[in-house]
Amino acid sequence: QKEVEQNSGPLSVPEGAIASLNCTYSDRGSQSFFWYRQYSGKSPELIMSIYSNGDKEDGRFTAQLNKASQYVSLLIRDSQPSDSATYLCAVRYNNNDMRFGAGTRLTVKP
Amino acid sequence: EPEVTQTPSHQVTQMGQEVILRCVPISNHLYFYWYRQILGQKVEFLVSFYNNEISEKSEIFDDQFSVERPDGSNFTLKIRSTKLEDSAMYFCASKGPTDTQYFGPGTRLTVL
Repeated sequence: QKEVEQNSGPLSVPEGAIASLNCTYSDRGSQSFFWYRQYSGKSPELIMSIYSNGDKEDGRFTAQLNKASQYVSLLIRDSQPSDSATYLCAVRYNNNDMRFGAGTRLTVKP
Repeated sequence: EPEVTQTPSHQVTQMGQEVILRCVPISNHLYFYWYRQILGQKVEFLVSFYNNEISEKSEIFDDQFSVERPDGSNFTLKIRSTKLEDSAMYFCASKGPTDTQYFGPGTRLTVL
């Protein structure tokens, strides 16, 4: 089974705080890992991809991958109200099959 | 910046009718995908398409569904006989030489 699990939230943080989003996946053969952001009524937009164990930073975003624990996380530093959205974890199993978690709803309060 | 486009933005149909959802992927992309998202639920993979054939499909993509690339630019999803439970947002995505899938804005399908 190709399961991707996320805490649905809602997760609420004050403006300027760090938001921490977590994701676990079931298939050890997973190759690529993605974080997408989805605003209500809109399509998913890619924030970051990560392929190897460790951290990857891009601006205020840091993705972390631990393949042994089958765990991916996303940290958002200096959270802004505009970061309020649903964050989707996605796992690619082969070249053509990507599965999404249910998403974590994040609210950043001014 | 190139983007994936989808038409129509909203389609209303009667149960049992056929619908065709249209997508224009980014022009130099070779991998194409359809996903659906029932309201309030997760994005679900339906099918991937490469080199004019289906490369992967999920358990959702049964005989009621088909995909086609009728010309060099369009990529379509057909639902032969719609059911109430087919009501959802349908997203098309395309991928080029990098690992990133770019999503279109979606078509909201409402089956009455």
